[in-house]
Amino acid sequence: DVKVTQSSRYLVKRTGEKVFLECVQDMDHENMFWYRQDPGLGLRLIYFSYDVKMKEKGDIPEGYSVSREKKERFSLILESASTNQTSMYLCASSLPGTGWRDYGYTFGSGTRLTVV
Amino acid sequence: AQKITQTQPGMFVQEKEAVTLDCTYDTSDPSYGLFWYKQPSSGEMIFLIYQGSYDQQNATEGRYSLNFQKARKSANLVISASQLGDSAMYFCAMRGMDSSYKLIFGSGTRLLVRP
Repeated sequence: DVKVTQSSRYLVKRTGEKVFLECVQDMDHENMFWYRQDPGLGLRLIYFSYDVKMKEKGDIPEGYSVSREKKERFSLILESASTNQTSMYLCASSLPGTGWRDYGYTFGSGTRLTVV
Repeated sequence: AQKITQTQPGMFVQEKEAVTLDCTYDTSDPSYGLFWYKQPSSGEMIFLIYQGSYDQQNATEGRYSLNFQKARKSANLVISASQLGDSAMYFCAMRGMDSSYKLIFGSGTRLLVRP
């Protein structure tokens, strides 16, 4: 089974801190994604990457950056954490695939970040 | 632009009964894929079922089936014989040809199964 591992389940940080959320997948997937999940809003895409050192902005990239130095690892960085970044963060990976079914994601367990 | 709409924020169902979770979508792509995911209280997202826009038959996976009505742009999830373990958030998602690998998600439906 593909595994996507997020380093922390719960995290509490102070306003203004630089925060790193780590995500590692073990099945050689090319594509990796960071979403945030908020009640009533569903999942919103922050950034994604389709190859090492490649990154693309999603729908809500402001206040975030990402790093993908190795294929298996995709890091989300909050440059200066703010209270409005308190949320659940979900990492996912997928194959590029040749069929639509392959475009489905495998998700990590999520990191619930609280910024105080 | 693509959009997924789930109009039921919360639903109840009695154990062993069937339940339908609604999902409508909007896309101009002729080819797209539709997905349903389950998120229990533990937080992980679990893939349930997939439907391709050109698939002739509605998708089924065990107790899950997808009622795909292309002309109405709806992709409702049907759970038969509900179990207590089905209590969770359910998300509908879509990917179109112009999506650059990304899935677009709806806002979700919270399902509570009553014993």
